[in-house]
Amino acid sequence: ELKVEQNPLFLSMQEGKNYTIYCNYSTTSDRLYWYRQDPGKSLESLFVLLSNGAVKQEGRLMASLDTKARLSTLHITAAVHDLSATYFCAGSPSTSGTYKYIFGTGTRLKVLA
Amino acid sequence: EAQVTQNPRYLITVTGKKLTVTCSQNMNHEYMSWYRQDPGLGLRQIYYSMNVEVTDKGDVPEGYKVSRKEKRNFPLILESPSPNQTSLYFCASRPGTSLTDTQYFGPGTRLTVL
Repeated sequence: ELKVEQNPLFLSMQEGKNYTIYCNYSTTSDRLYWYRQDPGKSLESLFVLLSNGAVKQEGRLMASLDTKARLSTLHITAAVHDLSATYFCAGSPSTSGTYKYIFGTGTRLKVLA
Repeated sequence: EAQVTQNPRYLITVTGKKLTVTCSQNMNHEYMSWYRQDPGLGLRQIYYSMNVEVTDKGDVPEGYKVSRKEKRNFPLILESPSPNQTSLYFCASRPGTSLTDTQYFGPGTRLTVL
């Protein structure tokens, strides 16, 4: 059974600093997703990572996938206040085809001016 | 505008009173899914549908029903709601079954069961 764990759960960081959010998963996952949720809002898709070594970047966010370590990371470069949100990773069990999603508990990021 | 809509956005009800939360998408997506979001638990998948008349259970289907009679609609039915179903519910859709397909989420329905 696929389990997805994120850490840290809460992250308070200064503007301009770099930090990484970690997403570990327990069994084989066909792909790994990252989502963003602003307070009181819905979820927005950020990245889809399909294969070992995959790296995707959008602005100050960069996501990577290491399938051997069962680890994905979301790296934040030179944080700005607008990045304050909750970030979720999600996997999809290989046995489910492309239909099931298992989410992590989320990382609440607060960027302080 | 391409979107996923949910109704109602907020609902307060009492234990045992049947309710339906509607979800509709205008993007001709094949796949639709329901999630619930609870503090400290992230999102958990309730049911999903790969296409019309094809549905399957997610991780937490107990106490919920769904139907997919039309491609655009995927209602979530609570036949006899209980307080432990108080939650924030999201509907999502995606184009099809490609590995790269991304999900588009609705605005959410906040349900309180007294």
